[in-house]
Amino acid sequence: EAGVVQSPRYKIIEKKQPVAFWCNPISGHNTLYWYRQNLGQGPELLIRYENEEAVDDSQLPKDRFSAERLKGVDSTLKIQPAELGDSAVYLCASSLDPFDGYTFGSGTRLTVV
Amino acid sequence: AQSVSQHNHHVILSEAASLELGCNYSYGGTVNLFWYVQYPGQHLQLLLKYFSGDPLVKGIKGFEAEFIKSKFSFNLRKPSVQWSDTAEYFCAVKTGANNLFFGTGTRLTVIP
Repeated sequence: EAGVVQSPRYKIIEKKQPVAFWCNPISGHNTLYWYRQNLGQGPELLIRYENEEAVDDSQLPKDRFSAERLKGVDSTLKIQPAELGDSAVYLCASSLDPFDGYTFGSGTRLTVV
Repeated sequence: AQSVSQHNHHVILSEAASLELGCNYSYGGTVNLFWYVQYPGQHLQLLLKYFSGDPLVKGIKGFEAEFIKSKFSFNLRKPSVQWSDTAEYFCAVKTGANNLFFGTGTRLTVIP
């Protein structure tokens, strides 16, 4: 089966510019997660979706970050405006069973200059 | 707040050496425990997981981990490492809220 697909793989933008990341989870996986991984750190949860509902967005910096998951399938994570400190790898993951592990995508490496 | 600690930041071993990576968590309720691996240039992959039952769980590629509830630990082990095990290893804990929290990772370098 196809894995979790993310695009783009790399993105370089100037600070104050907007940026968006796209994620296509594994077919049938109702739960979708966005994580941010800073260099030398473990992934940190930004938001979790159950179908199209954001059930946990407590770690999402809502002043500049937004996310959506229309129709409960693909998801988009947006940053506007980007800051230098947003440079990181943004990971998307999905799962079918809450007692199962997550399947991660390859991530989008964002560099803000 | 929940936290996951991996005290070994970088481990360097020769091939055939035994491996043990430490993982401790702080959470008083029921947890599910995971080890993920990230090979250079690749995405995170699940190595093994613990939900209940036998506290010694076996995963892929000869890895195993032991859950010791009294110590809040879930250490990863492998009797004999190979050069291909060079990667970053992440311990993760899932709480009742169904969110997965990761440790900071341990970089393993295996010298041929």
